[in-house]
Amino acid sequence: KAGVTQTPRYLIKTRGQQVTLSCSPISGHRSVSWYQQTPGQGLQFLFEYFSETQRNKGNFPGRFSGRQFSNSRSEMNVSTLELGDSALYLCASSFGGAGNTEAFFGQGTRLTVV
Amino acid sequence: KNEVEQSPQNLTAQEEEFITINCSYSVGISALHWLQQHPGGGIVSLFMLSSGKKKHGRLIATINIQEKHSSLHITASHPRDSAVYICAVLDWAAGNKLTFGGGTRVLVKP
Repeated sequence: KAGVTQTPRYLIKTRGQQVTLSCSPISGHRSVSWYQQTPGQGLQFLFEYFSETQRNKGNFPGRFSGRQFSNSRSEMNVSTLELGDSALYLCASSFGGAGNTEAFFGQGTRLTVV
Repeated sequence: KNEVEQSPQNLTAQEEEFITINCSYSVGISALHWLQQHPGGGIVSLFMLSSGKKKHGRLIATINIQEKHSSLHITASHPRDSAVYICAVLDWAAGNKLTFGGGTRVLVKP
């Protein structure tokens, strides 16, 4: 069974640009969660999507948004990039929901904002 | 004060040593996860606990709900266990969001 796939693996963007990251969950999983990991703040929850609906949201500004498609694939968008958005962005898929059932993580997308 | 505190932050052990990592939390939880992150970023879920104890190979995880404390033990440690171990709690009062500890960096020397 294929694991969680995140694309791209690495990305360099300029301040002010926007970026879209993609996450393909494990087949049959309906929950996709997104996390940001930085050296200073560690891992932080961004949001969770379940069956195309945002079910939970962390404490991030509105520049961070996401969506989920009918095939459960999810995208995360960050607009007006800031230097502080440089981070490893991880997604995790699970059958039931983030935290309530076992989560399977992707390898992450490392975003560098210059 | 962080809602999830891990100790120690860093740990160095010799191969075969018994390792314990601790996680304390201050919120009401419905589940606690232990995660392993290797260099390069990939995260693997090791355990999900809501009570008691779980064992998988050389790894043992325990949780004490009354004391709001969990431990991850690695028996007969091996250099391939070198990684960052992260505790995460499902905070039901915050709408079932995962809150993470700062991680424990483990280095096992041969």
